[in-house]
Amino acid sequence: QVTLKESGPVVVRPTETLTLTCTVSGFSLNNAYMGVSWIRQSPGKALEFLAHIFSNDEKSYSTSLKNRLTISKDTSKSQVVLTMTDMDPVDTATYYCARIRVDYRDWFDSWGQGTLVTVSS
Amino acid sequence: DIQMTQSPSSLSASVGDRVAITCRASQGVSNDLVWYQQKPGEAPKRLIYAASSVPGGVPSRFSGSGSGTEFTLTISSLQPEDFATYYCLQHNRRPPTFGQGTRLEIK
Repeated sequence: QVTLKESGPVVVRPTETLTLTCTVSGFSLNNAYMGVSWIRQSPGKALEFLAHIFSNDEKSYSTSLKNRLTISKDTSKSQVVLTMTDMDPVDTATYYCARIRVDYRDWFDSWGQGTLVTVSS
Repeated sequence: DIQMTQSPSSLSASVGDRVAITCRASQGVSNDLVWYQQKPGEAPKRLIYAASSVPGGVPSRFSGSGSGTEFTLTISSLQPEDFATYYCLQHNRRPPTFGQGTRLEIK
């Protein structure tokens, strides 16, 4: 059974750096056909892609946020980590991680439950 | 970035209706198109991948079609549990991009 679970702070202060961790099970981050992405959703708004990473360490970032984002993985821990610098209240959102199945061209077939991050002083 | 435009933005329909939601890409994305359903307070759920492939566990009333720049999600006979927001995603070009969503409401 494939599961993904997000963890991280509930509240961050403006200008701080957010670090989120996605812990996966049921598949390996070493699998050549798998990747993991981060996606967010501000309250009442649409889904927004943030970043993804594949087993070969290929990465991609949101065009508008790429200067603030870093994605990495720790295969031994089955974790994908996203950092976002210089947090602002507009970054208040639910942050999700999701799996990518490259072999089936099936993007985000499984999702975590999401974690709500509020940016406030 | 490729822009994905969904229409309509919102839709009112009744149980048993056939509905169609369209997603248009600002440039061709082949059939690298995925549809999701999201209910309030829940994570999105993947419905259709590769534009028209329906994975196991998704009811057969959901279907997808299209290629290139225009795609359609069709629900053949609406059920009460189908009232939700639907999103499309293209992953042909980096970065992947979502549509703005279509809210399907009960009439």
